[in-house]
Amino acid sequence: GEDVEQSLFLSVREGDSSVINCTYTDSSSTYLYWYKQEPGAGLQLLTYIFSNMDMKQDQRLTVLLNKKDKHLSLRIADTQTGDSAIYFCAESIGEYGNKLVFGAGTILRVKS
Amino acid sequence: GAGVSQSPSNKVTEKGKDVELRCDPISGHTALYWYRQSLGQGLEFLIYFQGNSAPDKSGLPSDRFSAERTGGSVSTLTIQRTQQEDSAVYLCASSFTGEGQFFGPGTRLTVL
Repeated sequence: GEDVEQSLFLSVREGDSSVINCTYTDSSSTYLYWYKQEPGAGLQLLTYIFSNMDMKQDQRLTVLLNKKDKHLSLRIADTQTGDSAIYFCAESIGEYGNKLVFGAGTILRVKS
Repeated sequence: GAGVSQSPSNKVTEKGKDVELRCDPISGHTALYWYRQSLGQGLEFLIYFQGNSAPDKSGLPSDRFSAERTGGSVSTLTIQRTQQEDSAVYLCASSFTGEGQFFGPGTRLTVL
């Protein structure tokens, strides 16, 4: 079955880079996503990567995809206290890639 | 523009009662999804609507759960004879393409 795994917790100092890692199982996933959830809030789409890409950069965010190893990472440059949140990795599955399977989420704590 | 909206934001009900949760997707989005988020199970896909096609109900946990989408827009998720294990945050999302599902703030359901 489909499964997405992430490390549970990451702590970094303000200004450092954060790297959140994720592994997934469905090699047919068309898109892979990163979502952010702040306390008491809904899920915010941060970025996504198409499965035929290796890397995508969007301002402070860099997504790396290793399709062979089914490994996805999110790098946040110059991490700020406002980046403290839970980050979810998700793969798209199903005939039309319309269902998302989420990891358990990585709690990012940024220390000032 | 307006994002996905959900109502109510909080719902407390007694075991055995029926509840209805509402979702207004982003205007123009053809796809609508329901997920739920709970401490024990994380984020789980429930159901997916795409245009006039038959919905994908493969994630609904039991026949007490049903959903409708009227006129290709607003959706209602109904839970009959609620049980305590139904307590969770119910999240609605909508999308136009595979480039990301946009989530609402969720409805927190508590079954006493």
